[in-house]
Amino acid sequence: GENVEQHPSTLSVQEGDSAVIKCTYSDSASNYFPWYKQELGKGPQLIIDIRSNVGEKKDQRIAVTLNKTAKHFSLHITETQPEDSAVYFCASFQGGSEKLVFGKGTKLTVNP
Amino acid sequence: DGGITQSPKYLFRKEGQNVTLSCEQNLNHDAMYWYRQDPGQGLRLIYYSQIVNDFQKGDIAEGYSVSREKKESFPLTVTSAQKNPTAFYLCASSTLRGIGYTFGSGTRLTVV
Repeated sequence: GENVEQHPSTLSVQEGDSAVIKCTYSDSASNYFPWYKQELGKGPQLIIDIRSNVGEKKDQRIAVTLNKTAKHFSLHITETQPEDSAVYFCASFQGGSEKLVFGKGTKLTVNP
Repeated sequence: DGGITQSPKYLFRKEGQNVTLSCEQNLNHDAMYWYRQDPGQGLRLIYYSQIVNDFQKGDIAEGYSVSREKKESFPLTVTSAQKNPTAFYLCASSTLRGIGYTFGSGTRLTVV
């Protein structure tokens, strides 16, 4: 089955710096890659996603890149703010089993 | 507004008792999922259902049971057979292609 590896597990940056979180997946048939942000005590919220026919997608300070050949995708957050502090999860949609497989999460801390 | 509702937000039970967590969605999604999240851990899939009256085991189904009698509802029962039931439980729903994968706000279960 699909396996998603996410790195780093924790990331600490200064306000205004950029943050990058990377994920790799194993199933070459996977075709949908969302990213979720989870604040303490809440459910994960979708922040951006990308489909396998697209290499990059941007939404204001957030961008996601996908390298299908290498089977990895990354989340980029620019001009980080303290409210960006949260746990971020990447995921890969496995078409065969029709479910998302999640990475283990990255705890991002943005220091003022 | 469409969404996915989990109740209750907090639940306390004595050891050895079964407890049922509620999950309702009005997004007209076909698929529904239950995840367990432990402190500092990722999301582990318990059960999922792609159609009414049918469901599949996820990675950690032992000690849990589900039903899917209505498209909108996917309750999870944590049985006394679950060795370590204290955790944060998340319900999610999506279309069959993973589009619109949406999480509820979670139920924190504490067994004393």
